[in-house]
Amino acid sequence: LAKTTQPISMDSYEGQEVNITCSHNNIATNDYITWYQQFPSQGPRFIIQGYKTKVTNEVASLFIPADRKSSTLSLPRVSLSDTAVYYCLVAQGGGATNKLIFGTGTLLAVQP
Amino acid sequence: SAVISQKPSRDICQRGTSLTIQCQVDSQVTMMFWYRQQPGQSLTLIATANQGSEATYESGFVIDKFPISRPNLTFSTLTVSNMSPEDSSIYLCSVERTGGQETQYFGPGTRLLVL
Repeated sequence: LAKTTQPISMDSYEGQEVNITCSHNNIATNDYITWYQQFPSQGPRFIIQGYKTKVTNEVASLFIPADRKSSTLSLPRVSLSDTAVYYCLVAQGGGATNKLIFGTGTLLAVQP
Repeated sequence: SAVISQKPSRDICQRGTSLTIQCQVDSQVTMMFWYRQQPGQSLTLIATANQGSEATYESGFVIDKFPISRPNLTFSTLTVSNMSPEDSSIYLCSVERTGGQETQYFGPGTRLLVL
């Protein structure tokens, strides 16, 4: 399972765009990149998943370069309620048992 | 998505006792997992709960300490046995649905404090 590396923490202000980059140099051909969000006292919540190029949903965008050795989660116009820990994970897709190995995560602190 | 509930939501237990945590899903799922999240830490996978067979444990976790049951496709239990203060953690179950891109959905967690 590929290991991920991401910043321990980031600070931002309300209304700004936040980009959190994750490194996964050993990502395998079958691996998907998935991001989760976790608020205190709650279980992680799925945000977005991608394999290559760009994926966008109502919450975030995920940018994945051609070599797939990194990915960037983009949160547009963050608010105070986006303060949380964000986890980047890579794991096999395509029907394989999808064990998730969580790294340290990035604590995003949004200030007024 | 999947609606997942866990019972109890929290508990305070005495050392040497055992606690069984229940995880219920609103629909049948193929895979269920149990995680532990110690205070201020990330999540660590304990085991994969296999329906109809013994759970598959990760390195550092054993069946005698964390027995797991999965009698059907919507329910699983995790028991924390012979507890010590080091077992104080949040215990989370997650489920996975297959079909295209697999993602895992997490329950709200059970906050355990061992005195």
